[in-house]
Amino acid sequence: DTGVSQDPRHKITKRGQNVTFRCDPISEHNRLYWYRQTLGQGPEFLTYFQNEAQLEKSRLLSDRFSAERPKGSFSTLEIQRTEQGDSAMYLCASSFSGIVREKLFFGSGTQLSVL
Amino acid sequence: EDQVTQSPEALRLQEGESSSLNCSYTVSGLRGLFWYRQDPGKGPEFLFTLYSAGEEKEKERLKATLTKKESFLHITAPKPEDSATYLCAVQSADSGGGADGLTFGKGTHLIIQP
Repeated sequence: DTGVSQDPRHKITKRGQNVTFRCDPISEHNRLYWYRQTLGQGPEFLTYFQNEAQLEKSRLLSDRFSAERPKGSFSTLEIQRTEQGDSAMYLCASSFSGIVREKLFFGSGTQLSVL
Repeated sequence: EDQVTQSPEALRLQEGESSSLNCSYTVSGLRGLFWYRQDPGKGPEFLFTLYSAGEEKEKERLKATLTKKESFLHITAPKPEDSATYLCAVQSADSGGGADGLTFGKGTHLIIQP
């Protein structure tokens, strides 16, 4: 069980720069989620893929954010023209769709600091 | 819109001192209620799923229960290694977070002192 992997673990960037994060889900999982978590808050949903299709986006996901999941495997989350308010932990999770309701398995997250 | 409220926000206990964490929820059609544990700098780690009122699940010193309006996470004789933030989340027909997406509460920060 390799679990959900995220890279990098930490990212420090200057305001206005672009950043990209990567998530490798559990291999047999076809659903992949991105969440954002700020200090003292629970994770908030950003977007969701089933296989390679991006099926849902939160209103939290501004035009500066874009996510992809080519070939239904790993996923990337890009933030363009970063702002200080983007500083947060970005969490990736995966699950397997089936008849029963499935739990989400989370990665360790990417901590983004925008200076 | 689904809502999840956890209390207390923080709880400090002595080792061996049992207590309960509360999760109150409002959803349109509960599909599942989840408890996760989160250590500093890490992602949430799955603990339990509860699906219907009256259901209970146990794991070591933890026991989760569910009613139609709230869930409790009971911790019996806790140890310092149980210190973490405990997150409650709901999955509903209107989760707005994908087919299995979750709406989380803010969590309870639990500290167990030796």
